[in-house]
Formats: sequence, structure tokens, C-alpha cells
Amino acid sequence: GAGVSQTPSNKVTEKGKYVELRCDPISGHTALYWYRQSLGQGPEFLIYFQGTGAADDSGLPNDRFFAVRPEGSVSTLKIQRTERGDSAVYLCASGQGLNSPLHFGNGTRLTVT
Amino acid sequence: RKEVEQDPGPFNVPEGATVAFNCTYSNSASQSFFWYRQDCRKEPKLLMSVYSSGNEDGRFTAQLNRASQYISLLIRDSKLSDSATYLCVVNFPTGGFKTIFGAGTRLFVKA
Repeated sequence: GAGVSQTPSNKVTEKGKYVELRCDPISGHTALYWYRQSLGQGPEFLIYFQGTGAADDSGLPNDRFFAVRPEGSVSTLKIQRTERGDSAVYLCASGQGLNSPLHFGNGTRLTVT
Repeated sequence: RKEVEQDPGPFNVPEGATVAFNCTYSNSASQSFFWYRQDCRKEPKLLMSVYSSGNEDGRFTAQLNRASQYISLLIRDSKLSDSATYLCVVNFPTGGFKTIFGAGTRLFVKA
């Protein structure tokens, strides 16, 4: 497909478990972003990749959160020892550069019980 | 101060009304600006880019005021289908650059 793809669409996990969320960006897009969105809030910046490297990870809330993009395309957001407060929709977006808009995937709805 | 601030609303307007949203940003080095629209339980989608000279797309007009560090969105002749959350988006440099979203302004257009 031509759009940003995120899997899974829904993930329910128990407190303390490890989860991985995957994002497959639009082909050729060098910029890839992860956001977290809670009900009634705007998307909260987590991390931004330019190519393979994390250009800015200042939004990651703590060291339980980590993201990789080893080949400059697909990215994985990893959350260790999940907590109930991690429950949210995790959005991935890709783009072509500074003045280009971002294109979003449908998001992964994470629920930690 | 938040990096991008918006009035959360909600704005409740009748069909046919004109409504305007403002958004302020804190980083004077910000370089590009956008308005996105988000429907309930959907992902954000680009509504329009905001250029220094201002730009118009049908019933929608966006303007940028760099001196006062705000952007605006004007919707004329509101339709029921305009009901959504409108997100203000700002790119600013941080070594690379990062794209920050405001919390969104909710709009309800009533018949």
C-alpha cells in the first residue's frame, strides 16, 4: 500500500510485560516520527528519526521506552515493563523533510491491564 | 510555557457560520506550520500548510504572524462535516527539527 502502516492495530497486555509496536513508513520518506495520544489530547512527540538515526528522542518519557530504525525504513517502538499509564494510541508518521507535512498511520491502541 | 498552545474549545457554531481558531508557538526559530484535522478515533490528516503570505483553500484560510508567533485558521460557511478537532502543528529546529502538535481545538457545527 501507499500509506503508513502500523501493526498491531490493537494490543492488550498485562502490567509489567514487554511490547513492540511496528511502523512501516511511506517508501522514500526519510523522516519518521512516533507520537502518543491520550483521549482529548493532541499527539505528544516521542522521538524522531532522520534515516537510521534518532535525531531527537527528547519526548521519550523514561528509559522503559526505546525505538529503532535499523535500515532507515521500518521502525519499532519498544516498551519494557509496561505500566497502566502507558495506555494510549501510539501514532507513527513519516515525511520527506522540514517543510513537508507528515502522513500518519492508523495508530496502535495499547491497553495495559 | 507549552511549545504550541491552542484554545481547546469546544466551539459550537451553526451551519453557515464563520469561525476562527488561533494558535501560538514559543520558538521564534520555527520554520514551517500546518493545520491538521482529526476526526474521532481517527489519525490526524493534513488540512493545509500555512505560508508566510497566507493561503486559502476553498472555505479555509490560514495566516501566519511571525512577529507575534501565532497562526490562525478561518473557516467560512461552516458545514456539518467540518465538525472535528483542528490541530495546530509547528516544525522547529533542534539540531535536526521536530514537529510539535498543539492539543487541538474541538469544533461542533450544528444544523
